[in-house]
Amino acid sequence: NAGVTQTPKFRILKIGQSMTLQCAQDMNHNYMYWYRQDPGMGLKLIYYSVGAGITDKGEVPNGYNVSRSTTEDFPLRLELAAPSQTSVYFCASRAYTEAFFGQGTRLTVV
Amino acid sequence: KQEVTQIPAALSVPEGENLVLNCSFTDSAIYNLQWFRQDPGKGLTSLLLIQSSQREQTSGRLNASLDKSSGRSTLYIAASQPGDSATYLCAVESAGNMLTFGGGTRLMVKP
Repeated sequence: NAGVTQTPKFRILKIGQSMTLQCAQDMNHNYMYWYRQDPGMGLKLIYYSVGAGITDKGEVPNGYNVSRSTTEDFPLRLELAAPSQTSVYFCASRAYTEAFFGQGTRLTVV
Repeated sequence: KQEVTQIPAALSVPEGENLVLNCSFTDSAIYNLQWFRQDPGKGLTSLLLIQSSQREQTSGRLNASLDKSSGRSTLYIAASQPGDSATYLCAVESAGNMLTFGGGTRLMVKP
């Protein structure tokens, strides 16, 4: 059982470039989340989804977009990358209670 | 807006000590509270989940308590070991299916 899988693990972007962070879960969970974690800080919610076709903004959505066309996948899109988006990004999923996290994507924007 | 605070931000203890990590939240209307462990450069691993109707949960040397009315949770670690060194995060689920995290407590257990 793979759980929550994030790709890539590491990425360096130049300012203004775009990319998509992939997140897939094989537990048939309805709820999925994207968080960012800056050094020495807790996690801040970017976007979340309560099911296929339904997404909503979290605390820090500016500069990001998401889609949820299937239950399994919840990609995060960065348009026009900025140095402020340098962070570690975590995807999570849950059914009704316990949340499971991926291993993270470390993104650097230079 | 739900806000979650963890105190202390960092803690260093000698091996064998019992210790308590604190988590407080501003809105007591929560569905559940979850404690996570994060090792450096890694993802989050779930330790304990307490439903809003429960007062505590135990797993091995870990015990988590919840006082919803006062907006507080504690994570008690008994007989700490160097392998317990990590960052511990608490998260609450509130209305809207959102999980809100605290800033974490960085624990160092010295041999």
